[in-house]
Amino acid sequence: AQKVTQAQTEISVVEKEDVTLDCVYETRDTTYYLFWYKQPPSGELVFLIRRNSFDEQNEISGRYSWNFQKSTSSFNFTITASQVVDSAVYFCALSEASSGTYKYIFGTGTRLKVLA
Amino acid sequence: SAVISQKPSRDICQRGTSLTIQCQVDSQVTMMFWYRQQPGQSLTLIATANQGSEATYESGFVIDKFPISRPNLTFSTLTVSNMSPEDSSIYLCSVRYGLETDTQYFGPGTRLTVL
Repeated sequence: AQKVTQAQTEISVVEKEDVTLDCVYETRDTTYYLFWYKQPPSGELVFLIRRNSFDEQNEISGRYSWNFQKSTSSFNFTITASQVVDSAVYFCALSEASSGTYKYIFGTGTRLKVLA
Repeated sequence: SAVISQKPSRDICQRGTSLTIQCQVDSQVTMMFWYRQQPGQSLTLIATANQGSEATYESGFVIDKFPISRPNLTFSTLTVSNMSPEDSSIYLCSVRYGLETDTQYFGPGTRLTVL
């Protein structure tokens, strides 16, 4: 069955610290997509990254980086030199190509608090 | 990505009433979705809004409670009917632009409080 687990409910760090948000997924599909979204206190969901199952290259975008490892079914997200503006709830999501429905399965989210 | 707007952004409603939420996109999209996010929880898909036909509802959601319309490729509405305090949530619409991408983009959400 498809499932996304974000075991970290809440993380607090001091500004400028690095922080990694964990995401572990379960799927029987060979073709699937993984996503990260940010939800700041205002409530909107901001798209951060999409990764397909055939592309295990890690990605870096500014202070953000993502580590995709199929061997451990993980898609972890690291923020380097965290800032107060990074405070938000971060969601990991999975979409399976074979379902044909394009539905997302969301994790329960990790609340990140960056303290000044 | 295109601009997605939702109206209203927030509302406080009385038990037993209904509220219609609008989702407008500034370009045509292939698919539109409606999600519910209860306080402190993750997102749960309510239904896929199909253009010109009945929406496809997820388990636990029914058309009588959450009627959805999608008259064209840029607009959809979700109605929350006969509301109770348990319906207090953020309701978000999302869009998927084309078959070549699986990415969904979300509207700003509607914060609903039912008294």
